[in-house]
Amino acid sequence: AQSVSQHNHHVILSEAASLELGCNYSYGGTVNLFWYVQYPGQHLQLLLKYFSGDPLVKGIKGFEAEFIKSKFSFNLRKPSVQWSDTAEYFCAVNARYGGATNKLIFGTGTLLAVQP
Amino acid sequence: GAVVSQHPSRVICKSGTSVKIECRSLDFQATTMFWYRQFPKKSLMLMATSNEGSKATYEQGVEKDKFLINHASLTLSTLTVTSAHPEDSSFYICSAGRTSHPTESTDTQYFGPGTRLTVL
Repeated sequence: AQSVSQHNHHVILSEAASLELGCNYSYGGTVNLFWYVQYPGQHLQLLLKYFSGDPLVKGIKGFEAEFIKSKFSFNLRKPSVQWSDTAEYFCAVNARYGGATNKLIFGTGTLLAVQP
Repeated sequence: GAVVSQHPSRVICKSGTSVKIECRSLDFQATTMFWYRQFPKKSLMLMATSNEGSKATYEQGVEKDKFLINHASLTLSTLTVTSAHPEDSSFYICSAGRTSHPTESTDTQYFGPGTRLTVL
């Protein structure tokens, strides 16, 4: 069965620090990859996604992620975090079977706290 | 665009009663909607995939007779928790993928704000 692991459960950074959140998945076939963010008291919002093409994907609010197929990874990065980036971040994978839409498998989430 | 709403946002009910949660795609059509359950300090767990005009597909371990799903139109799916018990207390979230979008596949899911269910 497919699974998604996020190694950092809780990250605390100071403003302007660089961020990298790890995400690894287990599935040997074609995948779509996503990062979602959940700000305090708000619903999940799509940060960025990778379907195909350039493995370096740029999303909203200065976030980017790199798909490394050989490592089954899709790490999220931001060069300089802000206090407003405090949120929970979820990596998700959609394993594709014959082109049909399939379910999203979520990682356990990483809670990011940015200190001013 | 791609806004998903849920109603109610929070509900408290007595043990043994049933609760209906609505999920609507406000500005797009969704052939497929998904229902998740989020436990405290844990990730989202997919409960079922809701298909417009057909039966929902439930994940292993999810009781289909307890969690009734109806997807009567391209913009509305409902989840009914029947004979609710305290262990059903949780945060229920729906999502939807845009159908027939010119550039986006339905693999991109948009999430509703969630419904906090508390069963006393």
